[in-house]
Amino acid sequence: EAGVAQSPRYKIIEKRQSVAFWCNPISGHATLYWYQQILGQGPKLLIQFQNNGVVDDSQLPKDRFSAERLKGVDSTLKIQPAKLEDSAVYLCASSLDPTFTYEQYFGPGTRLTVT
Amino acid sequence: AQSVTQPDIHITVSEGASLELRCNYSYGATPYLFWYVQSPGQGLQLLLKYFSGDTLVQGIKGFEAEFKRSQSSFNLRKPSVHWSDAAEYFCAVGDNTNAGKSTFGDGTTLTVKP
Repeated sequence: EAGVAQSPRYKIIEKRQSVAFWCNPISGHATLYWYQQILGQGPKLLIQFQNNGVVDDSQLPKDRFSAERLKGVDSTLKIQPAKLEDSAVYLCASSLDPTFTYEQYFGPGTRLTVT
Repeated sequence: AQSVTQPDIHITVSEGASLELRCNYSYGATPYLFWYVQSPGQGLQLLLKYFSGDTLVQGIKGFEAEFKRSQSSFNLRKPSVHWSDAAEYFCAVGDNTNAGKSTFGDGTTLTVKP
């Protein structure tokens, strides 16, 4: 079974530029999560999708971050414009359903550096 | 609001020695608790989880954890560490009023000496 795929793996941009990250969850997983992991900290949930609907985006900085999950499969997270403090690893995870009955599977992440 | 504290930022143990990583949580009800491991350049992998029942839970790779409600702790243990266990370990608490939302600690980095 293929795992959660993310691209790109690394990205370097200048502040005020835009960037987009892509995630392909495990086939059949209805729930998809985007986390931000700043160096030295644990992952912080940015947004959670159930199929193509948003369940929780309370910690998403909506003035600059946006995310979508068209057709309930792949997802894209965008930052526009980027700030220095957005430098982090962005992790995508998926699970069969949103309860804790099923494990969250994490992708390898995208490491973003904003200069 | 729920929170997780991992008091040790970095721990070094010798290969073959026992290991205990500490985790303290704050949550108003019976918690869902997790331990994850993250190797360099990799995503997180679930080691074990506690929902209810037996307070000593077994996980993968020879790890176990004990839930102690009186101490609000969920410490991770392994009797004999292998060099391949070197990684970062995260404790997390799940919000069972918001299914699937977990709050993570800031992690403990484990170094294994030969």
